[in-house]
Amino acid sequence: AQTVTQSQPEMSVQEAETVTLSCTYDTSESNYYLFWYKQPPSRQMILVIRQEAYKQQNATENRFSVNFQKAAKSFSLKISDSQLGDTAMYFCAFMKYNNNDMRFGAGTRLTVKP
Amino acid sequence: EAGVAQSPRYKIIEKRQSVAFWCNPISGHATLYWYQQILGQGPKLLIQFQNNGVVDDSQLPKDRFSAERLKGVDSTLKIQPAKLEDSAVYLCASSPGLAAPSYEQYFGPGTRLTVT
Repeated sequence: AQTVTQSQPEMSVQEAETVTLSCTYDTSESNYYLFWYKQPPSRQMILVIRQEAYKQQNATENRFSVNFQKAAKSFSLKISDSQLGDTAMYFCAFMKYNNNDMRFGAGTRLTVKP
Repeated sequence: EAGVAQSPRYKIIEKRQSVAFWCNPISGHATLYWYQQILGQGPKLLIQFQNNGVVDDSQLPKDRFSAERLKGVDSTLKIQPAKLEDSAVYLCASSPGLAAPSYEQYFGPGTRLTVT
């Protein structure tokens, strides 16, 4: 079974600084997808960034980028130039190729301080 | 484009009572998911529909939970009878399909259930 581990329950960062959230996963699959979702307080979950396991190049979306280490089964999220609106729960998620059963980690609560 | 709609947003019931949640996915999305998110945890998939058929319900506690998507659009999730440990946020999500690149899931705002 696939498991996703987020070892940082809470983190904080000063506005405009950079923060990295960690995620590791366990799988025997070779083809899969990895995601970071953001869940702001009392608001719905939205996709931040995705990574296909067959792609060696790390995904980037504006201020958000990932460090995907397939051999180490690690998938960290870097947020650059942190903004107050980045305050949220961040969930790392794993999905097998062509199987929409998404497995989530327990989440990291990120607080951006002014 | 309208997002995933869910109702009610909040519900408080006593244990052993029944409750139902409703979800309207994004128009045209064939795949619909129900997740349970217990406080302090990530969402856990309960059931997945493709159109009006069940794709995966392996994690649905079938002795008390049921779900349907009769016309392949709206869906309802029911709990009967509720237990204290059912207190959670119930999230509905939808995606265009099952295979890439249609796998991206769009989430609704959730229904927060409190069982007392």
